[in-house]
Amino acid sequence: DTAVSQTPKYLVTQMGNDKSIKCEQNLGHDTMYWYKQDSKKFLKIMFSYNNKELIINETVPNRFSPKSPDKAHLNLHINSLELGDSAVYFCASSPLGAVGYTFGSGTRLTVV
Amino acid sequence: GEDVEQSLFLSVREGDSSVINCTYTDSSSTYLYWYKQEPGAGLQLLTYIFSNMDMKQDQRLTVLLNKKDKHLSLRIADTQTGDSAIYFCAERGSGGGADGLTFGKGTHLIIQP
Repeated sequence: DTAVSQTPKYLVTQMGNDKSIKCEQNLGHDTMYWYKQDSKKFLKIMFSYNNKELIINETVPNRFSPKSPDKAHLNLHINSLELGDSAVYFCASSPLGAVGYTFGSGTRLTVV
Repeated sequence: GEDVEQSLFLSVREGDSSVINCTYTDSSSTYLYWYKQEPGAGLQLLTYIFSNMDMKQDQRLTVLLNKKDKHLSLRIADTQTGDSAIYFCAERGSGGGADGLTFGKGTHLIIQP
């Protein structure tokens, strides 16, 4: 299936831990993104990468570090997790400059 | 920076039309989008409109864009219980590069029987 796939779908972890969320797209898109949706359902872009190069880095704590090993993958590593990091994280991709964005189904992160 | 505003809730009766409104501030927006999110699910693209268009219709969905007032609306005709969801308005700027989307806070559409 052609898609944007994220793993894991659910992640429950303790405060202070380090965790990663993986994202892969097989659509041949050049650009990938991470968005965060908080408990009030507000969605905000965190990062965008074009062809492995960081393009957008919104005001996000530096505990969050995206890594793009190749243009089909954009992983999100989070250090020293805090309660406020609990959210749903969506990965997305698009062809550069094109109209359409394809979203993954989200990773629900719960920090306890 | 860019800002996208929507009212948080809309309640309509089943069978009526729903109109969800959105305003945005970025006059250089190139595309405007409507996404639907059902409970516990991801984001589903419903439709989008290019900024030089006034209207786009797709089956039960009608999008109206007033570029002068920076106002976008989504009309859902004959609203059904399956339309119950959060509807996000989003805009893409004119950067031309790896622009992400700026989302509104979402409108919760509640369908009354």
